Amino acid sequence: DAGVIQSPRHEVTEMGQEVTLRCKPISGHNSLFWYRQTMMRGLELLIYFNNNVPIDDSGMPEDRFSAKMPNASFSTLKIQPSEPRDSAVYFCASRWGFSNQPQHFGDGTRLSIL
Amino acid sequence: QKEVEQNSGPLSVPEGAIASLNCTYSDRGSQSFFWYRQYSGKSPELIMFIYSNGDKEDGRFTAQLNKASQYVSLLIRDSQPSDSATYLCAVSTNAGGTSYGKLTFGQGTILTVHP
Repeated sequence: DAGVIQSPRHEVTEMGQEVTLRCKPISGHNSLFWYRQTMMRGLELLIYFNNNVPIDDSGMPEDRFSAKMPNASFSTLKIQPSEPRDSAVYFCASRWGFSNQPQHFGDGTRLSIL
Repeated sequence: QKEVEQNSGPLSVPEGAIASLNCTYSDRGSQSFFWYRQYSGKSPELIMFIYSNGDKEDGRFTAQLNKASQYVSLLIRDSQPSDSATYLCAVSTNAGGTSYGKLTFGQGTILTVHP
């Protein structure tokens, strides 16, 4: 079975540009999570969806970040405008069922903002 | 106090030894506990999860849970150099009384198994 698919794998762009990260969850999974990982802050939850509805976006750092899940098989995380401090690895994860079930991670997008 | 704390590393053990990784959590209502392994430059990979007090074994890995002490650990027996990675402890919390909760991760412990 295909796992969580993220694109692009790497993104290098200049400050001020719009960045869009994409995620396709595992088929049949009903929850989707966006994380950011840095050396300083570790793995941080940005936002998560259940049945395509945002449940908790308290981790979104500021209004420059937005996330959507238009259907069960696709989600985007957008940063506009991007800043150098947004440089990190962004992971998407999906889960079937409730919070007692494990999350499965995609390979991540390594984002560098120059 | 951080919500999920792991023993500070890095932890270095010789090949064949037992590696012990520890994690404490602050939310007494937490019900589910997960251990992930993350190799450098890769994504977190699930190793084990545990819900009930006591031990749960899977091959060379044993997860231990003590809810009264708010403590969860991972033991790796017969450690191999291929076990060298960062180990992340994750604790589930429910959202507003629902069962659709999230995971809170610890900072991770770097384990090195030397030949």
